[in-house]
Amino acid sequence: AQKITQTQPGMFVQEKEAVTLDCTYDTSDPSYGLFWYKQPSSGEMIFLIYQGSYDQQNATEGRYSLNFQKARKSANLVISASQLGDSAMYFCAMREYDYKLSFGAGTTVTVRA
Amino acid sequence: GAGVSQSPSNKVTEKGKDVELRCDPISGHTALYWYRQSLGQGLEFLIYFQGNSAPDKSGLPSDRFSAERTGGSVSTLTIQRTQQEDSAVYLCASSRQGADYGYTFGSGTRLTVV
Repeated sequence: AQKITQTQPGMFVQEKEAVTLDCTYDTSDPSYGLFWYKQPSSGEMIFLIYQGSYDQQNATEGRYSLNFQKARKSANLVISASQLGDSAMYFCAMREYDYKLSFGAGTTVTVRA
Repeated sequence: GAGVSQSPSNKVTEKGKDVELRCDPISGHTALYWYRQSLGQGLEFLIYFQGNSAPDKSGLPSDRFSAERTGGSVSTLTIQRTQQEDSAVYLCASSRQGADYGYTFGSGTRLTVV
């Protein structure tokens, strides 16, 4: 079974608008971590944001925020005020008890001027 | 080093040849991971080393794939008798044990089997 599901293969967003990338996960571990990474066309994996399963507050990092709904097992990424440089592939990932990261299939975001 | 270093950055090999991909993790990082990313796809887990524990090899796609980590530092991923479907970017990452903020990826090795 897929541990991480990203249902949006591609999205277009207008510059300066917000975009939400969906991520649902499946685990029976009580302790886990959720991550979002950005992969521009250059191929590097850039860490964006992290949410621990016991964190009470939604994580935020600058223009990135994570909408964590534990009961629904979802961890959506919100990018506010999109910029042209945000055009990239975005991956949701989960760390379980063994500290191995499992990745979703990714969502390609294209920001239009 | 300052980051995770992978070599070579690009490798073109003939079908049937063996290849070795190298990963040099961040100093002090006890965990090391190998992933494979086919064109436009997500990251497929291959193998995970954590300290002196036996590696988690559950993601290796066939017995043509193997990896070792010497002295708890540098790791080599070996693909024997390469096939065209092995063409992909192979990414290495390292982290401190138990550190959720510490996963750092290398730039990858782009392998092309012709």
